[in-house]
Amino acid sequence: EPEVTQTPSHQVTQMGQEVILRCVPISNHLYFYWYRQILGQKVEFLVSFYNNEISEKSEIFDDQFSVERPDGSNFTLKIRSTKLEDSAMYFCASSEFVYEQYFGPGTRLTVT
Amino acid sequence: DAKTTQPTSMDCAEGRAANLPCNHSTISGNEYVYWYRQIHSQGPQYIIHGLKNNETNEMASLIITEDRKSSTLILPHATLRDTAVYYCIARTDSWGKLQFGAGTQVVVTP
Repeated sequence: EPEVTQTPSHQVTQMGQEVILRCVPISNHLYFYWYRQILGQKVEFLVSFYNNEISEKSEIFDDQFSVERPDGSNFTLKIRSTKLEDSAMYFCASSEFVYEQYFGPGTRLTVT
Repeated sequence: DAKTTQPTSMDCAEGRAANLPCNHSTISGNEYVYWYRQIHSQGPQYIIHGLKNNETNEMASLIITEDRKSSTLILPHATLRDTAVYYCIARTDSWGKLQFGAGTQVVVTP
């Protein structure tokens, strides 16, 4: 069964460093998303992406964040200058046309 | 999107049906009810969705009341692997963001 994959599974970085989280959505999917979950809190929407542009973004997704689909398979989330409060589990999701979103296993980002 | 209300937690015996309630009293006519679950910090997993009619798939059944103000997710034969946080989400867009609440922590016990 096709699945969304994410790399790395765990990333440790120092405050102020740039990180890139990578996702490979399911191949025929057209809509892509990033969510995050701070430990013990609820899953929060960050951004949605369709047709090579951002469709919607949350207040969390400020200028420090960017997304890109550099080729036909990868979907990346970049955090330019990480803060301690960016420590969280980051989930990528994709959907074909409508309705159900398929989530990846997540990348645990730890900012020290 | 309408706010949903779920119990914080519930227990269920293995092999029995688990009935998970959700209130969405302000739901509008074009909002779907979605259910996802999250097993121990893994990525959320889609379970089922519906608009007005009851729905069933290989994982669960969704019962929506006639006035659409509440719904129930039924896991027909709960297993230990069904221990998870279950989220009920009301959503207008069929492709847009999912807004997760706190969900219901379901613990299936032997």
